[in-house]
Formats: sequence, structure tokens, C-alpha cells
Amino acid sequence: DAKTTQPNSMESNEEEPVHLPCNHSTISGTDYIHWYRQLPSQGPEYVIHGLTSNVNNRMASLAIAEDRKSSTLILHRATLRDAAVYYCIPSQTGANNLFFGTGTRLTVIP
Amino acid sequence: DVKVTQSSRYLVKRTGEKVFLECVQDMDHENMFWYRQDPGLGLRLIYFSYDVKMKEKGDIPEGYSVSREKKERFSLILESASTNQTSMYLCASSLPQQALKAFFGQGTRLTVV
Repeated sequence: DAKTTQPNSMESNEEEPVHLPCNHSTISGTDYIHWYRQLPSQGPEYVIHGLTSNVNNRMASLAIAEDRKSSTLILHRATLRDAAVYYCIPSQTGANNLFFGTGTRLTVIP
Repeated sequence: DVKVTQSSRYLVKRTGEKVFLECVQDMDHENMFWYRQDPGLGLRLIYFSYDVKMKEKGDIPEGYSVSREKKERFSLILESASTNQTSMYLCASSLPQQALKAFFGQGTRLTVV
């Protein structure tokens, strides 16, 4: 599986956009990029995933670099409920296992 | 909404006890998973199951077993609990064609004393 690098922590002001980066330089051509988040005292929660094109859903947007060696999760307007640890997970199609690293702890400042 | 329910949020057990952690999902998912989460180590897969009575070892199966007698229920068994099994245990489920879009329970924090 591809190795990922994410900042340990980030801060954002409430109602401002947040860009959470992830480097996955060893990603293979068939690996999808999944993002999960884990709120305090909760299990992880699926956020979004993509392969090559940028993706949007009600929770976030995912911007994938053209060479696929990095991606950015974008929260358009951070709220206090977005304070969580965010995990970037490149995964092979057909894999049965999600390899969670240590993620980025996002703090949202009121 | 998909719901994955773990039977206990907190458990305290003694060394050597046999411990059962129960997980139930209500979305008719074929895949079910057990992970443990430890500080600095992320989540690690213990076992998963892709069908009733089927099971596959994950990355750290030693000291654990599982049971899946019904599709909606996946049990994790610690045959003889030890202090190094003190951890947060997370259950998840998914559709077979979406194994990487998993739904997690809230976790069971197990302390073995």
C-alpha cells in the first residue's frame, strides 16, 4: 500500500475554508484515494473518495493532483463539528482493508 | 442511515477472562470488520468476514477469534484477555463492491486489568 504523509495538526477559524493536504507519492495507478474523519469519541466516518478527477459531495471536495502524488481535502466552511482527525487512505480496488495512518488533527477556532 | 452498533462503549475485564465484543449492523452488508485503535499506531485490522460463517485474518489476529453465525452480527472473542489487549475496538461493515466505503460503530474501549 502507498505510504502517506499528512501534517500532524492544523487549525482553522470557524466558517473559513480548510485545505487538508496529503502526499502519497508511491500511489499506484489503480489506487483510489479515500478520506475518512474521526470525531472525538466516535468511530471513523467516510468522507469522500476519488481516482483521478476532482470530486464533490455534501461533506467536502477532493482535489487530486494531476500526477496523483498528492491530494487535498477541502472543507468549504469549517464548523465546530468538523473538528476531528482526518485520514487520507490510498487503497487498491478490491482491497478489504483500510490502512489508517495517524492523520491530521483539525482544530476549529470559534 | 446505516447503523453499526457495538454492544458496549466501555468494558473492564480481568486478565485471563474470555471476552466477547458484539457488533450488529442493520443494512444487510455482507462485509464486516474488527479493528483495534491504539495511540500512534492508527487502526489495525484484526479479522474480517465477507459472508456468514466466513472469516479472514487481518494484520493482527493473534489472541483473537471471531464468529459470524448471522449476517447482521459479527462477534470478536478474546480467548484469554491480556493487558496488551487494552485498546479501542472498532467494528465496521460495508457492501462487497464498496469494501473501502465502510461504516463504523462508535467503538468499545476495553481495559484489561
